[in-house]
Amino acid sequence: GAGVSQSPSNKVTEKGKDVELRCDPISGHTALYWYRQSLGQGLEFLIYFQGNSAPDKSGLPSDRFSAERTGGSVSTLTIQRTQQEDSAVYLCASTLMGLMGTGELFFGEGSRLTVL
Amino acid sequence: AQSVSQHNHHVILSEAASLELGCNYSYGGTVNLFWYVQYPGQHLQLLLKYFSGDPLVKGIKGFEAEFIKSKFSFNLRKPSVQWSDTAEYFCAVTPSNDYKLSFGAGTTVTVRA
Repeated sequence: GAGVSQSPSNKVTEKGKDVELRCDPISGHTALYWYRQSLGQGLEFLIYFQGNSAPDKSGLPSDRFSAERTGGSVSTLTIQRTQQEDSAVYLCASTLMGLMGTGELFFGEGSRLTVL
Repeated sequence: AQSVSQHNHHVILSEAASLELGCNYSYGGTVNLFWYVQYPGQHLQLLLKYFSGDPLVKGIKGFEAEFIKSKFSFNLRKPSVQWSDTAEYFCAVTPSNDYKLSFGAGTTVTVRA
């Protein structure tokens, strides 16, 4: 596609339920990032993929969070047993080779998660 | 780990006023620096970036930023803002040859017509 696509754009769930957020990066981009944006906060790094591998998962807030990437393309961020503090906008970004290349991350429009 | 500080949370200006947004980072080594912008209802997009060379970099829409290494700063400027510059602006930094981009908390800029 022309840009990074994320779905769903909006998700309301009940505390304790599991959610899956999907990201379709720009075709050919090998590097993929997940960030979390909470109200009044900056963007919080969650995880980075190079191809299908995640060399850095250090930003995942807890073991309730996991992410995978298949075929060097689509990525899924899964949050198990959601809590109210998980409410945020989850942003996905991709780049051709990584920040050492062009240095530009291309962002999707985000998935807004609300946990009631 | 590096951190990024943006001094202003919310700036309100009139059209044609000059804009300067502060950004400081904490990292002792060589860095790459970025400003991203998020217009209302749109996704984040790159405004400008600094990797090396001339510390005064020019970006899209008349924006520029100056890297002052001694002050660990990368302030964003625009001499005369327009209503369409209303947006949230994020400063970001990564150590050179690294992959992790760290963002500041963002500054909301409101330009009154």
